[in-house]
Amino acid sequence: AQSVTQLGSHVSVSEGALVLLRCNYSSSVPPYLFWYVQYPNQGLQLLLKYTSAATLVKGINGFEAEFKKSETSFHLTKPSAHMSDAAEYFCAVTTKTSYDKVIFGPGTSLSVIP
Amino acid sequence: DAGVTQSPTHLIKTRGQQVTLRCSPKSGHDTVSWYQQALGQGPQFIFQYYEEEERQRGNFPDRFSGHQFPNYSSELNVNALLLGDSALYLCASSLELAELYGYTFGSGTRLTVV
Repeated sequence: AQSVTQLGSHVSVSEGALVLLRCNYSSSVPPYLFWYVQYPNQGLQLLLKYTSAATLVKGINGFEAEFKKSETSFHLTKPSAHMSDAAEYFCAVTTKTSYDKVIFGPGTSLSVIP
Repeated sequence: DAGVTQSPTHLIKTRGQQVTLRCSPKSGHDTVSWYQQALGQGPQFIFQYYEEEERQRGNFPDRFSGHQFPNYSSELNVNALLLGDSALYLCASSLELAELYGYTFGSGTRLTVV
């Protein structure tokens, strides 16, 4: 079975600073990985996905993530934080053999300080 | 193009009662998954429906049941409600190969059990 861990339940950055949200996965077969963002009182929105093509994946709102098999990681980054980036971020994993059951991590709450 | 629509948005029920939540998937999507998100946690997979059949199920008791209709819409039923069932219930729709395309989430139904 696959699983996801997210280091740091809460991350604070200054506006304009680098955003780094950490995600590590566990999977016995090649994974498909996702980052979702959730704003207060809303559902989840897909930021980006890794589906075994390029290891560096670019998403919406200037976010990107790099798949590193050797480190079983899929960290999310953004060069310059904006106030509107404040939200909850979830890393998720699935595999081709799991009939699309997507497993989510516990989430990281991002605060942006003006 | 309407996204995923969930109803109702908020609901208050008493312990022991039964509740039905509804979901209309994004146009063109044929697969519906339901997730439970407790406060401050990541979404937990309940089950998934495809071609009107339950295809996958997470670690939830039989009190949780569902249905998918020929138009791909879906219902989540919870019987004998417990205080611990209070959560945000998210519906996610996808094409069958969700590992390639990701989910589209609704805004959720906030269920409070008193």
